[in-house]
Amino acid sequence: NAGVTQTPKFRILKIGQSMTLQCTQDMNHNYMYWYRQDPGMGLKLIYYSVGAGITDKGEVPNGYNVSRSTTEDFPLRLELAAPSQTSVYFCASSYLAGGSPEQYFGPGTRLTVT
Amino acid sequence: AQRVTQPEKLLSVFKGAPVELKCNYSYSGSPELFWYVQYSRQRLQLLLRHISRESIKGFTADLNKGETSFHLKKPFAQEEDSAMYYCALTGGGNKLTFGTGTQLKVEL
Repeated sequence: NAGVTQTPKFRILKIGQSMTLQCTQDMNHNYMYWYRQDPGMGLKLIYYSVGAGITDKGEVPNGYNVSRSTTEDFPLRLELAAPSQTSVYFCASSYLAGGSPEQYFGPGTRLTVT
Repeated sequence: AQRVTQPEKLLSVFKGAPVELKCNYSYSGSPELFWYVQYSRQRLQLLLRHISRESIKGFTADLNKGETSFHLKKPFAQEEDSAMYYCALTGGGNKLTFGTGTQLKVEL
């Protein structure tokens, strides 16, 4: 199993551009998450999904959109990139079977908006 | 609101010395606490959770509800313990709140 994969690894965007960060997991996990991590800060939840077709906002959703059309994929969309969205983005997944399950993380995408 | 505080950005210890990474939390209900670790060039991964009450790689952590703490401890640090450690909390379910992390550096 590849686990959680993210593409691209790095990206530089100009202000106002849009892009989609891809996330795929091959563990048949029902839960998927997007976090961002700013320098010197902890991870903050952007959006999460409890299954295909169901998404919900996390702590910092403004400026982002998500969709979950399949169990495997959970893309994150930035419509109008702003410098404040410069960050490292992590996708994660978990299988909820009672209690609080372990989250499995992707390698991250480093995004710079200039 | 739930909050996790890791007061040390960097903790430097010598090999063989005891390690204690501090974590304090704020949560009104009964939390579940975790420690995640990120080794150099590796992904963030779960180290241990309080509910399991197990020792992983020699590390233990006890949930102290009176002091609202979940400090990570190891009696004898090893070079391979050098990594970034994050304390995290959930109120049950799936959403984690992370602390800002502590970089542990084990020196020879």
